[in-house]
Amino acid sequence: AQTVTQSQPEMSVQEAETVTLSCTYDTSESDYYLFWYKQPPSRQMILVIRQEAYKQQNATENRFSVNFQKAAKSFSLKISDSQLGDAAMYFCAYRSANTGGFKTIFGAGTRLFVKA
Amino acid sequence: EAGVAQSPRYKIIEKRQSVAFWCNPISGHATLYWYQQILGQGPKLLIQFQNNGVVDDSQLPKDRFSAERLKGVDSTLKIQPAKLEDSAVYLCATRLVLNPQGEQFFGPGTRLTVL
Repeated sequence: AQTVTQSQPEMSVQEAETVTLSCTYDTSESDYYLFWYKQPPSRQMILVIRQEAYKQQNATENRFSVNFQKAAKSFSLKISDSQLGDAAMYFCAYRSANTGGFKTIFGAGTRLFVKA
Repeated sequence: EAGVAQSPRYKIIEKRQSVAFWCNPISGHATLYWYQQILGQGPKLLIQFQNNGVVDDSQLPKDRFSAERLKGVDSTLKIQPAKLEDSAVYLCATRLVLNPQGEQFFGPGTRLTVL
């Protein structure tokens, strides 16, 4: 069974600085998708960034980028120029590209604090 | 485009009582998920629907939890009877099509407290 591990329960960053959130996963599959979701306090979870396992190029979305290391099964999220609005829970997630139903498996999350 | 709607937003009940949650998906979204998110944990899938059929309910505690999506649109999740460990946020999420890369859109969740 696939698992997703986020080893940092909490992280903090100074406004305008850069922070990296870690995620590792375990799978025997070669074709899958990885996601980072953001869940602000008392607000809806939203997709931050998506990575296809078959793509070697790391995904980027404005200030958000990933470092995808397929052999190491590592998928970290880098937030550049951190803003107060980035404070939230961040969840790393895995989804098989082959399993019927395409179930998404989430990590336990990392709470990010942004200091003004 | 309206988002995923859930109600109620908060519910407090005593153990052994029953409770129901409602989800209205984004128009046209065929795939619907119910997740349980216990404090300090990531969401855990309870049940997945494709239109009005169940795709995956392997982690649904069927002795006390039930869910339906009768017309392939709105869905309800019921707990009967509730236990203390059911205290959690229940999230509904929907997707337009059933494929591996598609985005899930989440509702605001229902926070359940069982006393």
